[in-house]
Amino acid sequence: QSALTQPASVSGSPGQSITISCTGTSSDVGGYNYVSWYQQYPGKAPRLIIYEVTKRPSGVSNRFSGSKSGNTASLTISGLQTEDEADYHCCSYAGRSTCVFGGGTKLTVL
Amino acid sequence: QVQLQQSGPGLVKPSQTLSLTCDISGDSVSTNSAAWNWIRQSPSRGLEWLGRTYYRSQWYHDYALSLKSRLTINPDTSKNQFSLQLNSVTPEDTAVYYCSRGHCSTTSCWGMDIWGQGTTVTVSS
Repeated sequence: QSALTQPASVSGSPGQSITISCTGTSSDVGGYNYVSWYQQYPGKAPRLIIYEVTKRPSGVSNRFSGSKSGNTASLTISGLQTEDEADYHCCSYAGRSTCVFGGGTKLTVL
Repeated sequence: QVQLQQSGPGLVKPSQTLSLTCDISGDSVSTNSAAWNWIRQSPSRGLEWLGRTYYRSQWYHDYALSLKSRLTINPDTSKNQFSLQLNSVTPEDTAVYYCSRGHCSTTSCWGMDIWGQGTTVTVSS
């Protein structure tokens, strides 16, 4: 299993929208609708913000949304806020009852 | 509310066994609506899913293929906890280790919604 591919960093200004991609293969991202996204602040545990590609857990802002096309999943954050500055990780089911994470993306809010 | 509390040593010698425990409060390790995972994070590899255990009329264990020969994840119903044992560790196993709950929807348990606080484990002599 290879890690999913995410950009190392993305940036945006307050109020803007940004999108973080997560690219895998037909054996993981493309093969199943089981992609989840996590937000992580330095020194803290990850927090689930999207599961099953598009679903938001209760309490997560509707500024976070997920989508998928082919072997690439995407996380979009609209109305960017300074508090969104964090690392974001994707994770996909990869068959044989396993899952694989992406390398993580550092979001900077300028 | 559901909480996970991790415990275990922060320093392990090479070739020895790394053992961590995750205590569950507010939920049951035997529930049919969750799976119990271990994940680790290092600067070189990022987040890495290690494995999970869950109960569906019997106990199931799933492991990352790269670690399957060295890793055991077990539930302890009497203490409402689950544990990780990683054998024959090397410095490559140095990481922050997390336990987490995979909350099950109608179709999957891959949304990990509750996490432990993390344990920094260093493998060094």
